Amino acid sequence: KQEVTQIPAALSVPEGENLVLNCSFTDSAIYNLQWFRQDPGKGLTSLLLIQSSQREQTSGRLNASLDKSSGRSTLYIAASQPGDSATYLCAPYRAGGYNKLIFGAGTRLAVHP
Amino acid sequence: GAVVSQHPSWVICKSGTSVKIECRSLDFQATTMFWYRQFPKQSLMLMATSNEGSKATYEQGVEKDKFLINHASLTLSTLTVTSAHPEDSSFYICSARGLGNTIYFGEGSWLTVV
Repeated sequence: KQEVTQIPAALSVPEGENLVLNCSFTDSAIYNLQWFRQDPGKGLTSLLLIQSSQREQTSGRLNASLDKSSGRSTLYIAASQPGDSATYLCAPYRAGGYNKLIFGAGTRLAVHP
Repeated sequence: GAVVSQHPSWVICKSGTSVKIECRSLDFQATTMFWYRQFPKQSLMLMATSNEGSKATYEQGVEKDKFLINHASLTLSTLTVTSAHPEDSSFYICSARGLGNTIYFGEGSWLTVV
């Protein structure tokens, strides 16, 4: 059974800081891993998807790395802004029999001006 | 990019009645859709996997007779909460698997049972 842990659970930082959000998972036989953002009371927005053969993906100020063998992924947010305030969720995906996304509890990020 | 639409966004129903939530993939076909529920300040809990043309696969502890899932076409899955009770009040989110196994989420549906 896949278990996903995200650290820290919550983070409050001043604007402009570079941030590191950590995700670990117990079953490393994954197909890919997605990072999502969830604003309060809203659905999820996909930020980055890393295939199991990749080590990192970048989109703007976001960079996600994946170390499949150790069951870890990290989301880096550069030059954080108040608009980045949200909950960030990671979800490893295992295809072929398992075939579903399992989520961690998320990291609640607050970036204040 | 791919879009998943949920309807309704908000619904209030009386205890004992049933309510249906729709999940549509607007610009792609989805053979597999997923239904989650989320309580305040908690993560998403997978309820069931909806497969087009076949029965849904429910997670342990989820009552299949209470949460009816139908995936009759490649672009539509529905979740019906039957005989709803106040403890069923929650945020329900669907997602669909698109190209490259990327998962796209709907905006969610808030259910309040009074």
